[in-house]
Amino acid sequence: QQQVKQSPQSLIVQKGGISIINCAYENTAFDYFPWYQQFPGKGPALLIAIRPDVSEKKEGRFTISFNKSAKQFSLHIMDSQPGDSATYFCAASEDNYGQNFVFGPGTRLSVLP
Amino acid sequence: DTEVTQTPKHLVMGMTNKKSLKCEQHMGHRAMYWYKQKAKKPPELMFVYSYEKLSINESVPSRFSPECPNSSLLNLHLHALQPEDSALYLCASSHGPGPNQPQHFGDGTRLSIL
Repeated sequence: QQQVKQSPQSLIVQKGGISIINCAYENTAFDYFPWYQQFPGKGPALLIAIRPDVSEKKEGRFTISFNKSAKQFSLHIMDSQPGDSATYFCAASEDNYGQNFVFGPGTRLSVLP
Repeated sequence: DTEVTQTPKHLVMGMTNKKSLKCEQHMGHRAMYWYKQKAKKPPELMFVYSYEKLSINESVPSRFSPECPNSSLLNLHLHALQPEDSALYLCASSHGPGPNQPQHFGDGTRLSIL
């Protein structure tokens, strides 16, 4: 119930293409969904986050789509660049346990020049 | 540069050694976290401090001992670690202990146990 599933495990995209990473959860008490980007040798950096009362949130080339009924959310990276090559983690937390993030297993994205 | 600073960046220690990891933030955040991250895995929560008090301990072995001397500092004292404790140890902070607070991570300490 506490798991967050994430797919694909790895993704290769051509420069300029769209990268799509999907996450799914079971716990309907989850109500905060951040995405983190991690480069090798660095800590995770917050990319974008969404709450379930919003179906879509866009920041620059990054968009989160949220489907509350399906309990799924996804990250879309438009015009993918080689500099976007990193590992991406989705996460979820619930109101009463806001400090406890449940992370997905991660997606390793490679953007080819 | 990250606003959560961790030292040292790398640490190699024997199983009988005692060492400490340090984390510092000056963003006025009142919640601080320790995570452990193995290669190609997501971060795993170890401890949470809220207003300098330990609020969550995720059943971490006693060879890991956290300390929060003040609202800006977080330490992790290490003693008698095992080879399987080799990992990246990440510190994070958030504005408060309430829900839906984004957590800001440091770049971690890469720990190797000989």
